[in-house]
Amino acid sequence: SQQGEEDPQALSIQEGENATMNCSYKTSINNLQWYRQNSGRGLVHLILIRSNEREKHSGRLRVTLDTSKKSSSLLITASRAADTASYFCATVPPPGAGSYQLTFGKGTKLSVIP
Amino acid sequence: NAGVMQNPRHLVRRRGQEARLRCSPMKGHSHVYWYRQLPEEGLKFMVYLQKENIIDESGMPKERFSAEFPKEGPSILRIQQVVRGDSAAYFCASSPFGGGQDTQYFGPGTRLTVL
Repeated sequence: SQQGEEDPQALSIQEGENATMNCSYKTSINNLQWYRQNSGRGLVHLILIRSNEREKHSGRLRVTLDTSKKSSSLLITASRAADTASYFCATVPPPGAGSYQLTFGKGTKLSVIP
Repeated sequence: NAGVMQNPRHLVRRRGQEARLRCSPMKGHSHVYWYRQLPEEGLKFMVYLQKENIIDESGMPKERFSAEFPKEGPSILRIQQVVRGDSAAYFCASSPFGGGQDTQYFGPGTRLTVL
């Protein structure tokens, strides 16, 4: 079953507004990563947050992680039309779990209207 | 520093033919991962390889699919006797240290269409 589940499935906002996307997962993780995918293109890595971290920033991006709730959020501030893309969270199991794979959710489609 | 390279970018095959997808990792990366993405879906893990070794193939179908990462040259994902359900985007990623502990860098993908 899918490890990561993003919410909402789709989000439409005006340029300049903030966008918040959430991700929930089921089992213990080593780290959680957020990726962006423009339509028909490959994935671009945005942020990696480790299980012992609670918050990370990168430019206009802010990621939080709550391991007690098994959830993460991605906040994009002051959105731009160029932020229009699908956003995926992906989890990595802890060492010793016998698996090394990134497990992706189905993604949130963000549309930023100019 | 070139990123992860994949070729071809688009591949069209008829049912029953073979598809070969190639992936060259980033310079200095010896860990390669293959993922498949169906339309409107997230990526699904297929296989994780190091040079000359398959580390985890738990996501790869048991039949018709194989992967290798030779000492020299790119990693190859091979699909024999393709069927329409194999139509998807196939992404390769690489990382320097492996074990899922570091960032995976993705290539642009190969879009396979089976007629």
